[in-house]
Amino acid sequence: EVQLVESGGGLVQPGGSLRLSCAASGFIFRTYWMSWVRQAPGKGLEWVANMKPDGSEIYYVDSVKGRFTISRDNAKNSLYLQMNSLRAEDTALYYCTRDSQGPNEYTLNYWGQGTLVTVSS
Amino acid sequence: SVLTQPPSASGTPGQRVTISCSGSSSNIGNNYVCWYQYLPGMAPKLLIYNNNQRPSGVPDRFSGSKSGTSASLAISGLQSEDEADYYCAAWDDSLNGFYVFGTGTKVTVL
Repeated sequence: EVQLVESGGGLVQPGGSLRLSCAASGFIFRTYWMSWVRQAPGKGLEWVANMKPDGSEIYYVDSVKGRFTISRDNAKNSLYLQMNSLRAEDTALYYCTRDSQGPNEYTLNYWGQGTLVTVSS
Repeated sequence: SVLTQPPSASGTPGQRVTISCSGSSSNIGNNYVCWYQYLPGMAPKLLIYNNNQRPSGVPDRFSGSKSGTSASLAISGLQSEDEADYYCAAWDDSLNGFYVFGTGTKVTVL
């Protein structure tokens, strides 16, 4: 059974940093693309970033470029999101997803339960 | 978001509800579309992938289609447990590439 468990969320002041983790199990982690997706209070879903299995390709949504860094440790079956220079608008529930990718196709197949990040003074 | 959906849709139990998703040549026009169901208090769930394919376990009353730069999700035989938010999504080839969700549609079962 695919399991994705996010952790690391919490309350942080504007300008601060936080590192999210996603522990994966039930599948061969090193063979899958992975993403982070967030939902701000009262807003819709927003994809944040993704990463190829070997880490050779990374993509970000414009609003987090230069501030967030996605990474993975295939030996530890873990995905990370380092978030710096946090803003109030980064407040959201952050989800880790296991993805599938092919020609003209990208799918977020499995989702974790999410970890809440609150940016406030 | 570059994918536009109606904010709401509704129907009575047993009715058919359709949700539209309008995009452009850089996303829906050139890539497969997915649909996700977001129930209150739950993690989002993949409902449709590759325009019209259902993952194992998704009832066949959910169906997807795509034409040009638009896509749609149909729910036939609406049930109370279908009350949720629904999002279309696709990869967008513009800029350096990114994944984009639609604006979301809240489905209410009357």
